[in-house]
Amino acid sequence: DTEVTQTPKHLVMGMTNKKSLKCEQHMGHRAMYWYKQKAKKPPELMFVYSYEKLSINESVPSRFSPECPNSSLLNLHLHALQPEDSALYLCASSRGRQETQYFGPGTRLLVL
Amino acid sequence: EDQVTQSPEALRLQEGESSSLNCSYTVSGLRGLFWYRQDPGKGPEFLFTLYSAGEEKEKERLKATLTKKESFLHITAPKPEDSATYLCAVQAGTNAGKSTFGDGTTLTVKP
Repeated sequence: DTEVTQTPKHLVMGMTNKKSLKCEQHMGHRAMYWYKQKAKKPPELMFVYSYEKLSINESVPSRFSPECPNSSLLNLHLHALQPEDSALYLCASSRGRQETQYFGPGTRLLVL
Repeated sequence: EDQVTQSPEALRLQEGESSSLNCSYTVSGLRGLFWYRQDPGKGPEFLFTLYSAGEEKEKERLKATLTKKESFLHITAPKPEDSATYLCAVQAGTNAGKSTFGDGTTLTVKP
């Protein structure tokens, strides 16, 4: 089983809202990732967690706040987003940081 | 800096017309090269991982090969359901966890 689940599938939020994206995997993977993907572009890495600790932050604005409560869960907290943050947000996981990443279906985010 | 270039940007084939997609890369110490398929609005679906030059992997109508400078994704007798964007990504030994993606090749297979 190589399933990564993400909720919600779609999210519409205003610029003053606070919302969270959730990602879950039960494959025993110890690395988890958040990516942002704009239309007709490849995924763009935001954060990497390894053994529940943040190991890579690709200079992402502080309005995006990641959290890894345990080895199976990854959250992305959103606050005061801008319309240009509208995108498909993808979660991925891998056994280790240099191994194959498996992606979830994504959350389509629209910021009004 | 690691670089990945995919070509062509778009490819239109008739059903049954075999072809290849190219992924050229420049990376310091390749740890892995990954092929994904992505349908519109969905997450990338893993296809293959290749680790060293000369390695080949197959799955149904797809075959991936790797040299020291590039990888090919060969599609034999494609069907309309093979239409998707195919993404190539590499990981270098110096950047654990950070994959560099190409811009993808959008494949359209006409019946």
